[in-house]
Amino acid sequence: DVKVTQSSRYLVKRTGEKVFLECVQDMDHENMFWYRQDPGLGLRLIYFSYDVKMKEKGDIPEGYSVSREKKERFSLILESASTNQTSMYLCATHGQGAVSYEQYFGPGTRLTVT
Amino acid sequence: QQQVKQSPQSLIVQKGGISIINCAYENTAFDYFPWYQQFPGKGPALLIAIRPDVSEKKEGRFTISFNKSAKQFSLHIMDSQPGDSATYFCAASMSGGSQGNLIFGKGTKLSVKP
Repeated sequence: DVKVTQSSRYLVKRTGEKVFLECVQDMDHENMFWYRQDPGLGLRLIYFSYDVKMKEKGDIPEGYSVSREKKERFSLILESASTNQTSMYLCATHGQGAVSYEQYFGPGTRLTVT
Repeated sequence: QQQVKQSPQSLIVQKGGISIINCAYENTAFDYFPWYQQFPGKGPALLIAIRPDVSEKKEGRFTISFNKSAKQFSLHIMDSQPGDSATYFCAASMSGGSQGNLIFGKGTKLSVKP
C-alpha cells in the first residue's frame, strides 16, 4: 500500500511566520505535488517535482516555495504566512511509468493563519 | 484552455437513487479522465477512470459515461448509499496521465439521505 504522510493534520500560525509543511512517501515515486483545497475552488496545484532538486510551478505558486532534497520528501514553505493562505494543503505522489496513473494523496494539513 | 468544469456544486439524493455528476473540458489533448472521491478528513482517492477510446466504464455501482464529441463525461452512482456521501472531483490529463499532472474540477459535495 502506498503511504503518503504529512507532518501535521492541523497547524495554527501567525501572520508573517515562516511555515514548513512536510510530505513523505514510501513508494519510491518520482513525482510529487502540493495542492491547496478551498471550498468551491477545488484542488489547485501550487508546485510539483519530477525528481530530486527539481521543481516546477503550478497554477498558484505565489507566496510559496518548495524543497526536494530527497526522493521521498517534498516540503512546502510559506516564507511569510498571510491570512489568505489559510487553507487545506494536500500532498500527492505519482510513479512515472506506473501501470496505473493514479495520484496518491496524503490526509492533508489544515493550516490556519491568524 | 486547461479548465475542467464540474457541476453541480452540491447534490442531495435519496438512498437508492441515482447520483449524476457532470464534467466538461475544452482541451482535446486530454486523454485520461479520472474521478476522485474524498471523505471528510481524508485526502482524495481514485475511484474510477476512463480513456477516450471507450464510451463507458463500469465498476460496481459506479459508471463513467464519456462523450468525446461533446467533450463531456459524467459519473453515475447507482443505488446511492449514505456511505457514498463525499466530495467527488473529476479530472483530466494529457499523455494518458503518465506525467502525473491532473487538472481538477471544483468538486461536487454529495449527500445521500437515508
